[in-house]
Amino acid sequence: NAGVMQNPRHLVRRRGQEARLRCSPMKGHSHVYWYRQLPEEGLKFMVYLQKENIIDESGMPKERFSAEFPKEGPSILRIQQVVRGDSAAYFCASSPFNYGYTFGSGTRLTVV
Amino acid sequence: ELKVEQNPLFLSMQEGKNYTIYCNYSTTSDRLYWYRQDPGKSLESLFVLLSNGAVKQEGRLMASLDTKARLSTLHITAAVHDLSATYFCAVSNTGNQFYFGTGTSLTVIP
Repeated sequence: NAGVMQNPRHLVRRRGQEARLRCSPMKGHSHVYWYRQLPEEGLKFMVYLQKENIIDESGMPKERFSAEFPKEGPSILRIQQVVRGDSAAYFCASSPFNYGYTFGSGTRLTVV
Repeated sequence: ELKVEQNPLFLSMQEGKNYTIYCNYSTTSDRLYWYRQDPGKSLESLFVLLSNGAVKQEGRLMASLDTKARLSTLHITAAVHDLSATYFCAVSNTGNQFYFGTGTSLTVIP
């Protein structure tokens, strides 16, 4: 079992570009969660998805951010027109049901 | 919104000493988690506490939960350098979100 796979591990984008972060949940896990960690802070919830459905996006910024978890393939967190303040570590977690998260290794986004 | 506070934020302790990290949360929760994070790494699950009075121990770390006081503690016994890391507590509600504390950065010095 490969665990929760996130890629890329590091991503550098210039201001105004788009960032796409991918998360493949553990085998058998149908619940995916995205969290953001700013430097020297705890993780903040962004969005919770199940296959083809957004269940809770209360932590997502209203603009530029979107997430999906298609029937086939990984979950994608997409940030359009990135700004310096988007620089953070983005962690994905998965669970087979509403319990027992496993976190991925994270994607560290740097906006220059 | 459920709030989670940890203290201290920074902890420097000598090898062999004992210390406790505290985690307070603001509203009723059904689960409390402790995680460890090494610099540049992901979060490693340490403990899941599910009920009042729950106590779990793994090596030099022991976690406890008092749901009435809305307080969890992570006790470190006879610290060693390998325990240097940032420790987070997190609380989940009946929904699906985890609410994380700000973390305690622990440095164990020889």
